[in-house]
Amino acid sequence: EDQVTQSPEALRLQEGESSSLNCSYTVSGLRGLFWYRQDPGKGPEFLFTLYSAGEEKEKERLKATLTKKESFLHITAPKPEDSATYLCAVLARNNAGNMLTFGGGTRLMVKP
Amino acid sequence: DAGITQSPRHKVTETGTPVTLRCHQTENHRYMYWYRQDPGHGLRLIHYSYGVKDTDKGEVSDGYSVSRSKTEDFLLTLESATSSQTSVYFCAMGTGVTYEQYFGPGTRLTVT
Repeated sequence: EDQVTQSPEALRLQEGESSSLNCSYTVSGLRGLFWYRQDPGKGPEFLFTLYSAGEEKEKERLKATLTKKESFLHITAPKPEDSATYLCAVLARNNAGNMLTFGGGTRLMVKP
Repeated sequence: DAGITQSPRHKVTETGTPVTLRCHQTENHRYMYWYRQDPGHGLRLIHYSYGVKDTDKGEVSDGYSVSRSKTEDFLLTLESATSSQTSVYFCAMGTGVTYEQYFGPGTRLTVT
């Protein structure tokens, strides 16, 4: 059974204080790992797809990395507008319906 | 943002009544998904569709049915709503090529 665990559950940062969110996964052959951002009362917004260990993707202050067991979302010099819940999901290689398995999310709060 | 919409956005209904939620996409994506999101459980897949009239069950399908008569529309029906189905429901779409899913704005359903 595919499993995704995100840590920490919640993270409070001061503006400008860089940090990382963790996504650990167990899957029978990884086809892709996905990061989403979700603001309160809205649907998840797609950020990145990582397909293989060693791959990195960047977008503004966010950088996602992938190893064979986990992914990190690094946030550099965060701003209050980066406050949101960040979700990680995996897709197994033998998944015919392209169904994603999601982690519980990390709620990030950035204070000015 | 406008590529996928859900209706209604909010609904309050009584136990035992039938409820249908609608998802509409304008991107001609092959795959569509219905999720529910609950505190402590994260996003869980209810049903998905891999083409017109082609659907399959997800992790939490009991008490739900779906239909897809056109590429752009995916309906979720609760035949007899129960209080345990109080949740936020998200629809998503995907091409099946790059595997990421794009989410709608959500429907908040309360069963009293």
